[in-house]
Amino acid sequence: EADIYQTPRYLVIGTGKKITLECSQTMGHDKMYWYQQDPGMELHLIHYSYGVNSTEKGDLSSESTVSRIRTEHFPLTLESARPSHTSQYLCASSGDSSTDTQYFGPGTRLTVL
Amino acid sequence: AQTVTQSQPEMSVQEAETVTLSCTYDTSESDYYLFWYKQPPSRQMILVIRQEAYKQQNATENRFSVNFQKAAKSFSLKISDSQLGDAAMYFCAYGLGNQFYFGTGTSLTVIP
Repeated sequence: EADIYQTPRYLVIGTGKKITLECSQTMGHDKMYWYQQDPGMELHLIHYSYGVNSTEKGDLSSESTVSRIRTEHFPLTLESARPSHTSQYLCASSGDSSTDTQYFGPGTRLTVL
Repeated sequence: AQTVTQSQPEMSVQEAETVTLSCTYDTSESDYYLFWYKQPPSRQMILVIRQEAYKQQNATENRFSVNFQKAAKSFSLKISDSQLGDAAMYFCAYGLGNQFYFGTGTSLTVIP
C-alpha cells in the first residue's frame, strides 16, 4: 500500500463546528488531491495542489479550503460544518509525470449532525 | 467534458471463475490514461491496473487484464480465477494531464 495517511478515519461532529481533515504522504509527491465520495456516486474532485503554495478548486463546488505549506501535508478545513457536508473524503497524491497514477489514503468518513 | 460510465452497479462471481467489469468513457483526446482501482470495504483504494491509450497491447497484472478498445472507447476489466479477496468496489478512471474522472463503481461479490 502507498504511504499516504488520513486522520481522523471517522468523525462525527455537530453543525457549526470548524474541522480540519489531515492528509500526509511520505512519497515526496508534488501533486495532491482531495475528493468527495458518496455511496453509489463517482469521486468528485474538490481541491488539488501541484506543489507548495499552489492550490486550486476542483470540479465540485465546495465550502472547504485547503493549504499546502509543506510538500507532504495537505489539510482540508471546513470553517462551519453542515449536515450537507456528510460524506467520505479521500486524499490522493501523484508523482511528477503528466498523468501519473494517483495513490489514495484510507479516507475520512465525516458525519455532521 | 470527459465522462466515465460503469453500467453494472453490482456483479457477482463464483470463486475461481472469471468475471468482466465494463467501462466506457467519452473523450475527444487521443493520448490519455485509463485505470482500474479497487476499494475493499472500509479499506484504502488501490490501483489494480493502468493502460496508456497510445499502447495497443492490453495491460495485464497477474489475474487482472483489460480489454482496451480505443475506437469503441471501452475499457473492461477481466478478473480470472476470482478469489474472496477480490470482493470490493471497482472504479474505472480516465486520466489526462492532472485531471482524473471516475465512474460510479461496480460492487463485486465473490461467492464461495
